[in-house]
Amino acid sequence: QSALTQPPSASGSPGQSVTISCTGTSNDVGYYNYVSWYQQHPGNAPKLIIFEVNERPSGVPDRFSGSKSGNTASLTVTGLQAEDEADYYCSSYTDSRTWVFGTGTKVTVL
Amino acid sequence: QVQLVQSGAEVKNRGASVKVSCKASGYAFTGYFIHWVRQAPGQGLEWMGSINPTSGVTKYAQNFQDRVTMTRDTSINTAYMELTRLRSDDTAVYFCAKRGGSYAFDYWGQGTRVTVSS
Repeated sequence: QSALTQPPSASGSPGQSVTISCTGTSNDVGYYNYVSWYQQHPGNAPKLIIFEVNERPSGVPDRFSGSKSGNTASLTVTGLQAEDEADYYCSSYTDSRTWVFGTGTKVTVL
Repeated sequence: QVQLVQSGAEVKNRGASVKVSCKASGYAFTGYFIHWVRQAPGQGLEWMGSINPTSGVTKYAQNFQDRVTMTRDTSINTAYMELTRLRSDDTAVYFCAKRGGSYAFDYWGQGTRVTVSS
């Protein structure tokens, strides 16, 4: 199972928006609506911020939103804040009953 | 509150085995799958496999199929991940994570650093 493809980096100024793509195949991202997104600050464990493509766990700001079209999912962060600077990973359940993560995107707040 | 507390850092020689524990609290341990994910230095997340704490049934990623064993002890709400025949590229932080009601990992352990020295 190959990792899902994400851009290595993305950036934006405070208050701006940034969108991160996550491209898989018809066997994972395109197969189910079971795409999730995780935020990871250096030295910390990942934190769930989006599940089932576009659902937010309680406590996650609505500045974070997700979507999917075909084999590509996206995470959008609107109104960027300094604390949003982190690594972001997508993940998908697959038709083999396994999970796969994306390659990761480092978001920089300029 | 939900907590997953993992065992401490390990340093192992090449060819040895390591067993990492993950103690769960704050929820019904047998109600939710436990997954294991690792992260090599400066690299991304890699899913290793999962265990159903109720039945003990496991599912492993193909990359680890012949070297990993996941077990659990429901009497102490603890899951274990053992990796054998360690190689230098197994040096990583190993995380346990609880799968929530959806197909996502809603709580994570703090991570266990495993260093494989030559």
